[in-house]
Amino acid sequence: DTEVTQTPKHLVMGMTNKKSLKCEQHMGHRAMYWYKQKAKKPPELMFVYSYEKLSINESVPSRFSPECPNSSLLNLHLHALQPEDSALYLCASSTTLGEKLFFGSGTQLSVL
Amino acid sequence: AQSVTQLDSQVPVFEEAPVELRCNYSSSVSVYLFWYVQYPNQGLQLLLKYLSGSTLVKGINGFEAEFNKSQTSFHLRKPSVHISDTAEYFCAVSYPQGAQKLVFGQGTRLTINP
Repeated sequence: DTEVTQTPKHLVMGMTNKKSLKCEQHMGHRAMYWYKQKAKKPPELMFVYSYEKLSINESVPSRFSPECPNSSLLNLHLHALQPEDSALYLCASSTTLGEKLFFGSGTQLSVL
Repeated sequence: AQSVTQLDSQVPVFEEAPVELRCNYSSSVSVYLFWYVQYPNQGLQLLLKYLSGSTLVKGINGFEAEFNKSQTSFHLRKPSVHISDTAEYFCAVSYPQGAQKLVFGQGTRLTINP
């Protein structure tokens, strides 16, 4: 299995909703990442986990809450989002920090 | 701070023609360099990377790139493109010491016309 699987593929939510994005990999990778990508823009790093511990938080607003319950799973909990948070959210993993990144196909999020 | 500049936001090319996508980086120390491709409605896929050694790097799908330290460039080339190469291409850089943070360029949209 050489894939990073993200669910759901599409998500529409209101500004008062609570939802979660899920990312899973079974490649034994110990580093996992969340990126945000607006249309026609490059991905922007949000969070990095290394060995299930938060390694980097790129000053992301607290309405985004990451969680790494085990080495295969990465979640992004969403609460009270704004319309400007609408974007493609990409998960990635690597064997360790600094190695080649494997990206999932992303979750296209729309906040109404 | 490190930064990446992709000089062309869009590059239209006819099928079977050669193509070069330009990338320049800014850094006062050694860097790792990458090219990623993003097909519509998909995540990013690594095409090739330069970490050290030979300055000519060969990647997947017939792409190659050359690291030029004096010109701080890492241009991507393919001698003959196909319709299936239509995608967004991102150049990226990271520090060897802080390699968990990948900084992307703005992207180049490659469109192959028949």
